[in-house]
Amino acid sequence: EAQVTQNPRYLITVTGKKLTVTCSQNMNHEYMSWYRQDPGLGLRQIYYSMNVEVTDKGDVPEGYKVSRKEKRNFPLILESPSPNQTSLYFCASSLEQGRGYEQYFGPGTRLTVT
Amino acid sequence: AQSVTQPDIHITVSEGASLELRCNYSYGATPYLFWYVQSPGQGLQLLLKYFSGDTLVQGIKGFEAEFKRSQSSFNLRKPSVHWSDAAEYFCAVGRNSGNTPLVFGKGTRLSVIA
Repeated sequence: EAQVTQNPRYLITVTGKKLTVTCSQNMNHEYMSWYRQDPGLGLRQIYYSMNVEVTDKGDVPEGYKVSRKEKRNFPLILESPSPNQTSLYFCASSLEQGRGYEQYFGPGTRLTVT
Repeated sequence: AQSVTQPDIHITVSEGASLELRCNYSYGATPYLFWYVQSPGQGLQLLLKYFSGDTLVQGIKGFEAEFKRSQSSFNLRKPSVHWSDAAEYFCAVGRNSGNTPLVFGKGTRLSVIA
């Protein structure tokens, strides 16, 4: 089954404790992306990756890191989480960026930073 | 840069009634347009998309949308709403060239009452 998986689905952590949210897709997609969703703000892109070893900032990259060492995986790293990073995070992938290709979304990771 | 406006934050309709969710975009050329649905606790699922051609597009779950260039709109419609349609709906716009990410609207939450 074609899918995007994220782990963990729920995470509660404390300020400053490094964490990683994993994302994996099995569709051989080139493009992957991370979004955060906050009430009243919709989805905002954090980082995206056009292909292996190619990443770039989205609209709200501060406080986040990503890496793309393999085509299927695109982890989101919070080196020193803060309460304002409490949010619902989605990973997405598509065959290519732009050009109207459908983005496939993971189920989301709800992160709480206390 | 392209942008998307969903004027209605929350809409309530009765089961069996018709539905129209509004979406206005800003983009100089013909955009790629999408509607996604997010059911509670789920990721986003593509309902339909418009690239070119027939301005009335059919999607899954009985939804359709009409692209109106003169009004810069891409409104989503359904003739008879079911209780299971209660969800959040996002309109998104992409450029038809270059490598820019999708831009999402802030979403419209649909409630369905008996």
